Amino acid sequence: AQSVTQLDSQVPVFEEAPVELRCNYSSSVSVYLFWYVQYPNQGLQLLLKYLSGSTLVKGINGFEAEFNKSQTSFHLRKPSVHISDTAEYFCAVTGYQKVTFGTGTKLQVIP
Amino acid sequence: KAGVTQTPRYLIKTRGQQVTLSCSPISGHRSVSWYQQTPGQGLQFLFEYFSETQRNKGNFPGRFSGRQFSNSRSEMNVSTLELGDSALYLCASSFTISSGGTDTQYFGPGTRLTVL
Repeated sequence: AQSVTQLDSQVPVFEEAPVELRCNYSSSVSVYLFWYVQYPNQGLQLLLKYLSGSTLVKGINGFEAEFNKSQTSFHLRKPSVHISDTAEYFCAVTGYQKVTFGTGTKLQVIP
Repeated sequence: KAGVTQTPRYLIKTRGQQVTLSCSPISGHRSVSWYQQTPGQGLQFLFEYFSETQRNKGNFPGRFSGRQFSNSRSEMNVSTLELGDSALYLCASSFTISSGGTDTQYFGPGTRLTVL
């Protein structure tokens, strides 16, 4: 079985403050990990992905994520958020013939 | 390069009717996946087509079906609509099979289906 847990459904944060969006997964096979962002009234777009190699992955818009195999986590971070980062963020894993998305975390940046 | 397009963007139907949604992938992409997005369930995988063949299927009833044409365009059909089918239906394309793979999926803006 394969699953993704995004513990926080909503995360409010002040502008220019750092943020971490949490993602934990479980799988019986090796997985690949993705973070997607969805802006209002739009589809999802890729922020970053981990396939192999360095566990720290850098993505677009200043986001980065760290793959932690022992903790089965792939948390997304940004050192300083902007108003334009207000969106919903989805963690996803792909494994044996399967792709699973988390339920999403709404990031609300407060001016 | 043009992105993934979905038509129509908005649709209102009544219970018992059927609906067909269309998705045109990015040029050169051979895989098309469909997802249902609702506030309560999040993103649920419906099915994936690659080179006109269904490669993977989610856990949805048989009322949900799809197909892919030789030009990689895909259609999704829902028959005997129920109130619970109201959702945003997202289509995503990728160069290769995305289920279980490393390929990035490129999403369309979605079709908002409302069932009354």
